[in-house]
Amino acid sequence: AQKVTQAQTEISVVEKEDVTLDCVYETRDTTYYLFWYKQPPSGELVFLIRRNSFDEQNEISGRYSWNFQKSTSSFNFTITASQVVDSAVYFCALSEAEMGRRALTFGSGTRLQVQP
Amino acid sequence: KAGVTQTPRYLIKTRGQQVTLSCSPISGHRSVSWYQQTPGQGLQFLFEYFSETQRNKGNFPGRFSGRQFSNSRSEMNVSTLELGDSALYLCASSLEQITRSDTQYFGPGTRLTVL
Repeated sequence: AQKVTQAQTEISVVEKEDVTLDCVYETRDTTYYLFWYKQPPSGELVFLIRRNSFDEQNEISGRYSWNFQKSTSSFNFTITASQVVDSAVYFCALSEAEMGRRALTFGSGTRLQVQP
Repeated sequence: KAGVTQTPRYLIKTRGQQVTLSCSPISGHRSVSWYQQTPGQGLQFLFEYFSETQRNKGNFPGRFSGRQFSNSRSEMNVSTLELGDSALYLCASSLEQITRSDTQYFGPGTRLTVL
């Protein structure tokens, strides 16, 4: 069975601070996909990034960066120079590769509050 | 390209009633999945439809059902509503191909309140 753990329930930072959101996953599959979604107060889940299990290259997109390490089953997300607009709940998710088993398994989410 | 749309956005029902929620996927997307989000259980998978066939189902009672139409639009139905069914119901669509999994894009959700 798959499992995603986001141990940080809530993080509060002051604007311009860097913040890292942790994600640890469990799966028996050799091919799988990892995702991060952002959920602002409006409720819609906004896709941020997708990573394939065979691609451990870290990725940077503007102020966002992701660190994928298969050896520790972690897929952490860092926001550099945080802004108030980054305040939201962030979810890490995992899905399998086989058709019919691609449902997303979500972590419990980390609520990020960025204070001005 | 328009995103995933869900109607209605808000719904209030009473126990014992039934409800139907609608989801229109992104144009060209053939797979539609439904998720339930509650404060206690978090985000949980309900079911997935692809080419009008239910391809995967989560661990929910039979009161929860769904269907997909030939234009990929999907509906989910909850019969005999219980207080615990109060939740945000999110629909997601993906391009989906036989040989690879594609990213799921979510709609704004339908917030259901059961009184």
